[in-house]
Amino acid sequence: SQQGEEDPQALSIQEGENATMNCSYKTSINNLQWYRQNSGRGLVHLILIRSNEREKHSGRLRVTLDTSKKSSSLLITASRAADTASYFCATVFTGNQFYFGTGTSLTVIP
Amino acid sequence: EAGVAQSPRYKIIEKRQSVAFWCNPISGHATLYWYQQILGQGPKLLIQFQNNGVVDDSQLPKDRFSAERLKGVDSTLKIQPAKLEDSAVYLCASSFGAGLNTEAFFGQGTRLTVV
Repeated sequence: SQQGEEDPQALSIQEGENATMNCSYKTSINNLQWYRQNSGRGLVHLILIRSNEREKHSGRLRVTLDTSKKSSSLLITASRAADTASYFCATVFTGNQFYFGTGTSLTVIP
Repeated sequence: EAGVAQSPRYKIIEKRQSVAFWCNPISGHATLYWYQQILGQGPKLLIQFQNNGVVDDSQLPKDRFSAERLKGVDSTLKIQPAKLEDSAVYLCASSFGAGLNTEAFFGQGTRLTVV
């Protein structure tokens, strides 16, 4: 199977707290990307990490990648109610095929 | 920059009918994807085009689904005949595709309900 698998499936936190979600995959990748999906909308790209990178930051987002364990994590710091959404990891292979995992549903309580 | 355009936004059909979805990718994007997203699940790749050639259609149910990308720009996805389990959101995405490490841009999707 080429898609990743996120955990937890659902996460509920208070505003201001940090949210961490994980993605595990089974085959070698070229890069891994995280996307957000608000209810009833398309997916929006958040951040990309290449297979030779270990950590990347973008604003309140921090992504790590451990290719030896075939896993990645997405950390959202100082969460806001507007961060409430589903988050998906995409494993990307040669030929630019994007495979999406099952997603983590994040609820940030004001 | 205009985004990925999809139409219609919503469609309700009876089982065994046919339906078609249309997608206009971002100008200059060589790669176009169709995904099926069933409620509560992640997007499932149905087909990927590079210009007007198919790169990956391994998960496309070819007995009832077909897709084409004429002239390497717009694309249509067709289902004929539809089944109840085809109820889902159909997402189109595009990427620059010139090399690796590019992001995908998604349209708003078409929500299909088969009754």
